[in-house]
Amino acid sequence: EVQLVQSGAEVKKPGESLKISCKGSGYSFTSYWIGWVRQMPGKGLEWMGIIYPGDSDTRYSPSFQGQVTISADKSISTAYLQWSSLKASDTAMYYCVRLRTGDSHYFDYWGQGTLVTVSS
Amino acid sequence: AIQLTQSPSSLSASVGDRVTITCRASQGISSALAWYQQKPGKAPKLLIYDASSLESGVPSRFSGSGSGTDFTLTISSLQPEDFATYYCQQFNSPYTFGQGTKLEIK
Repeated sequence: EVQLVQSGAEVKKPGESLKISCKGSGYSFTSYWIGWVRQMPGKGLEWMGIIYPGDSDTRYSPSFQGQVTISADKSISTAYLQWSSLKASDTAMYYCVRLRTGDSHYFDYWGQGTLVTVSS
Repeated sequence: AIQLTQSPSSLSASVGDRVTITCRASQGISSALAWYQQKPGKAPKLLIYDASSLESGVPSRFSGSGSGTDFTLTISSLQPEDFATYYCQQFNSPYTFGQGTKLEIK
């Protein structure tokens, strides 16, 4: 069974750093792109970027380029999303997703979400 | 970036109704479009990919159609568990989502 299991909720202060994780299981982790999606409170979904754990090729949405860093450790089948200096506007639910590619592209599996709260 | 505009933004309907949600792309995307369902407090769930392919395990009352710039998601006979928010997403990088359609009980 394919699963993406994310790290738990975080409460941070503005200016702090943070790294959240997404562990894949039940499939070949290095063969599928993993992405991140943001959902701010009461708002819609925003695609942030994707990484191919096989070779760490990473692509960012222009809206998030320079704001976050996406990485992966294929030895432990885990992808990461990190911030060097959080802002209150980073408060959101963050989902990791598996991207199915080939003839079709779509996010076929989603993690359960990690709620990040940034408040002084 | 390609923009997706969903209509309506919200919709009230009754159990048994036929419902259609529209997603319009700002430029042609062939059939590179997916639909997701999100219930409160839950992660989104894939319903339709490639504009019209039903994801395994999704009830057949859900269907998708369209290509190019205009797409629709249809629920043929609403069930109580279908009241949720629905999003379309296109897969020409940067990937973008529609703003969502909230489907509520009338």
